[in-house]
Amino acid sequence: KAGVTQTPRYLIKTRGQQVTLSCSPISGHRSVSWYQQTPGQGLQFLFEYFSETQRNKGNFPGRFSGRQFSNSRSEMNVSTLELGDSALYLCASSLVAGNYNEQFFGPGTRLTVL
Amino acid sequence: AQSVAQPEDQVNVAEGNPLTVKCTYSVSGNPYLFWYVQYPNRGLQFLLKYITGDNLVKGSYGFEAEFNKSQTSFHLKKPSALVSDSALYFCAVRSLSSGSARQLTFGSGTQLTVLP
Repeated sequence: KAGVTQTPRYLIKTRGQQVTLSCSPISGHRSVSWYQQTPGQGLQFLFEYFSETQRNKGNFPGRFSGRQFSNSRSEMNVSTLELGDSALYLCASSLVAGNYNEQFFGPGTRLTVL
Repeated sequence: AQSVAQPEDQVNVAEGNPLTVKCTYSVSGNPYLFWYVQYPNRGLQFLLKYITGDNLVKGSYGFEAEFNKSQTSFHLKKPSALVSDSALYFCAVRSLSSGSARQLTFGSGTQLTVLP
C-alpha cells in the first residue's frame, strides 16, 4: 500500500505570495490532518478533515486554510506569506478522525519564505 | 487544554545499553498516547500507542512504553539501544473529550543519540 504523499517536497516563495500544498492519504483513509513543524515551536496542529468537512482547527490565523476533496485528497493554502511561515508542513492520514487510530505521516513539504 | 512534556531535549546512550525517553501528559478524560520517531528530512513514523488495557505496550523495532496513570507518564524504553535508533522522538496525546482535546497534541521532541 502506498504511503502518504505530499507535493511539492520543496518550495521557495517570497513574502506576500500565496502557496498551495497537496496531500494524498493512504488508500482507504478518510481523515487528513495538517501540522506545521518549526525548530522553535515544534509540531503544531493546523486542521483535520474528514469526509470533506473540517473537524478540528488549531490556533493559526485565517491566512491558513484547507480543504478536502471527495477522494480524501487534501490541500492547504497559505495566503500573504510571512517569513515566519517558513517551516516543514506535514500531512497525516488515518482511517477515521479524532479517535485512537494512529496517524501516518507524509515526508512533508519544506516551505521557505524569503 | 491538554499538553505533553518531554523534559529532556537530548538523551545520549551507549550502544547496547537500555534507553528511556521520558514523557508526561495532561488531559481531561482518558488519554490515548502515542510515540512517533522522526529521522532527518523525513516525516514521522508511528512506533506504538496506548489505548487501554495492559500498561506495558510493545511496538515497532523493539521499543516499548509503560503507561502510568498515577504519574501521568508514558515513557519510551528499549532494552538494548542501536546506533540506528538515533533520531528525534515525539510523544503525543489525544482524548475523546470535545473540541480541541480531540486533536493530537505533540511534545517538543527528544533527540536520542546512540553512541557506538
